[in-house]
Amino acid sequence: DVVLTQTPSILSATIGQSVSISCRSSQSLLDSDGNTYLYWFLQRPGQSPQRLIYLVSNLGSGVPNRFSGSGSGTDFTLKISGVEAEDLGVYYCMQATHAPDTFGAGTKLELK
Amino acid sequence: EVQLVESGGGLVQPGASLKLSCVASGFTFSDYWMSWVRQTPGKTMEWIGDIKYDGSYTNYAPSLKNRFTISRDNAKSTLYLQMSNVRSEDTATYYCTRDDSGFDYWGQGVMVTVSS
Repeated sequence: DVVLTQTPSILSATIGQSVSISCRSSQSLLDSDGNTYLYWFLQRPGQSPQRLIYLVSNLGSGVPNRFSGSGSGTDFTLKISGVEAEDLGVYYCMQATHAPDTFGAGTKLELK
Repeated sequence: EVQLVESGGGLVQPGASLKLSCVASGFTFSDYWMSWVRQTPGKTMEWIGDIKYDGSYTNYAPSLKNRFTISRDNAKSTLYLQMSNVRSEDTATYYCTRDDSGFDYWGQGVMVTVSS
């Protein structure tokens, strides 16, 4: 199975600070169809996960544009440009290029 | 508004069977692939499997393929997860998800605890 390694595991930030989360894959996530099936999710405390980013860099419906995704091959990044209180929670990357779909271990974003 | 509502969880003994349900509303259920994902008490996320929009094809995580079965009833807009011979490591919160460019909608989750 593809292993996704997220760093850091815990991220402390102040409101308004810009932060980045890394997701590195054990294999290239570029599919033979030309797509890269890498996604980002946020799970707020006590809630279900919600999709933020799909196909590396596409913003999900209703997701604020302070979130952005980038990367290719095996290295991917989620950036939050100006953390807001509602952004606190655990962020997961997920890949669906190679069966079975796998998730990273998560990055907890907390207030400093 | 898209809604996914899971049910059927609870406390179950090792070796028993359990069937989870997920009722969908707010979209045309029969147009979408659907998946089950679980989250362990330690917060690890694990994809269980998915099912094609017409129910004709399923995929499973290899480690679960022999014990878990996904099915759907499009007339009832309902997704199912049949779990058999459950083990303590199956203790988790189980989520039903719609698969459209990734898991764009998630249910609220249902807890399953496997313990004697």
